[in-house]
Amino acid sequence: DGGITQSPKYLFRKEGQNVTLSCEQNLNHDAMYWYRQDPGQGLRLIYYSQIVNDFQKGDIAEGYSVSREKKESFPLTVTSAQKNPTAFYLCASSLGGAANYGYTFGSGTRLTVV
Amino acid sequence: GQQVMQIPQYQHVQEGEDFTTYCNSSTTLSNIQWYKQRPGGHPVFLIQLVKSGEVKKQKRLTFQFGEAKKNSSLHITATQTTDVGTYFCAGPSTGGGGNKLTFGTGTQLKVEL
Repeated sequence: DGGITQSPKYLFRKEGQNVTLSCEQNLNHDAMYWYRQDPGQGLRLIYYSQIVNDFQKGDIAEGYSVSREKKESFPLTVTSAQKNPTAFYLCASSLGGAANYGYTFGSGTRLTVV
Repeated sequence: GQQVMQIPQYQHVQEGEDFTTYCNSSTTLSNIQWYKQRPGGHPVFLIQLVKSGEVKKQKRLTFQFGEAKKNSSLHITATQTTDVGTYFCAGPSTGGGGNKLTFGTGTQLKVEL
């Protein structure tokens, strides 16, 4: 079955460390997205990519970095510059632009800074 | 910037009661999408509305898109415990060529037996 796989499901990070969250899709979708969700809150866009080797900053990109070297993969690195990284991170993909297609979400990664 | 607000933020109902959540955008939308997120889960796409005044139904769920394409609603008839979760509306952002979604603030629904 096609879908989006995020790993790990839970991640604990010490302050000052960089961590990378994995996101892989086999839906042959062109666009991929990273959102952050804080408890009881909505989804805020971190980065998005519409095509391989290209990506754009979202609303809260500071302290994060991404790469899109393959169509299937869109990893997110949470750097030590991110001051409050504890959150639920959701990766999504869509066939094309958001104007025409809904998102398919992965099951998410819960990151906790200890 | 573009804002998408939802009301109410929370709603507790008794099983069998109806439920409605309202979504309002600060800008005109080319389409509106609805998602459901179960507790501890991830958002799941429910439906997309495109036309002004459009109404779509999925079993007990009725979705409407306003005439001005700036608001939308989701109505659930005779709620069940399986309806528990947070419902988000989302519309294409006015920046970035409309290729990313701005999500609403969400309405959390709790259903009591």
